[in-house]
Amino acid sequence: DIQMTQSPSSLSASVGDRVNITCRASRTITKYLSWYQQKSGKAPKLLMYTTSSLQSGVPSRFSGSGSGTDFTLTINSLQPEDFATYYCQQSYSPPWTFGQGTKVEIK
Amino acid sequence: QVKLQESGPGLVKPSQTLSLTCSVSGGSVTSGSYYWSWIRQPAGKGLEWIGRFYNTGSTNYNPSLESRVTMSLDTSNNHFSLRLRSVTAADTAVYYCARSPYGGLKEDIFDYWGQGTLVTVSS
Repeated sequence: DIQMTQSPSSLSASVGDRVNITCRASRTITKYLSWYQQKSGKAPKLLMYTTSSLQSGVPSRFSGSGSGTDFTLTINSLQPEDFATYYCQQSYSPPWTFGQGTKVEIK
Repeated sequence: QVKLQESGPGLVKPSQTLSLTCSVSGGSVTSGSYYWSWIRQPAGKGLEWIGRFYNTGSTNYNPSLESRVTMSLDTSNNHFSLRLRSVTAADTAVYYCARSPYGGLKEDIFDYWGQGTLVTVSS
């Protein structure tokens, strides 16, 4: 299985901050990396796929970059509704695997 | 707008079989354009893909669970099901059903999810 490792596990930030979350795969997944946002008690919501393609309806302050094994989700100008847990997922090779999550909290 | 809704017992005894159903509205489980998956999340932990079903009858399961899992489609009721045998406390989790496109750049990416249902394994 491809292991997905996110860092940090949690972070504190203020509204308006720029936030970076990284995801590392245990072997190359080329561009097949997606990001999800999960709020407490809710199902995950797809934000981004194939590294940098924004899902319909997702604000443009979210962006993604990377390739191979190292990827980054960037949130520009953090908004109150962005406080949540974020997960990466590889869709390169089954079984599809997720990172352990990064919780973004209010400073 | 497609909607998915999980249903099933919230409590299962150890060694018994967990059975869940995902009802789909706004779309058809017989569509050749999508896979239908189950994903679970233990409390406070990350997400684990359990497996998926395609309308041809093709299934793919996570090897970690493959020996205990069966998935199926019920086309007359437009839902799909999960059966997990010989459960233990480690199977306690919120179980989600989800859709992923077949083919294209979004293949194997989960674009619609149910709200999730908590299943507790306990005597």
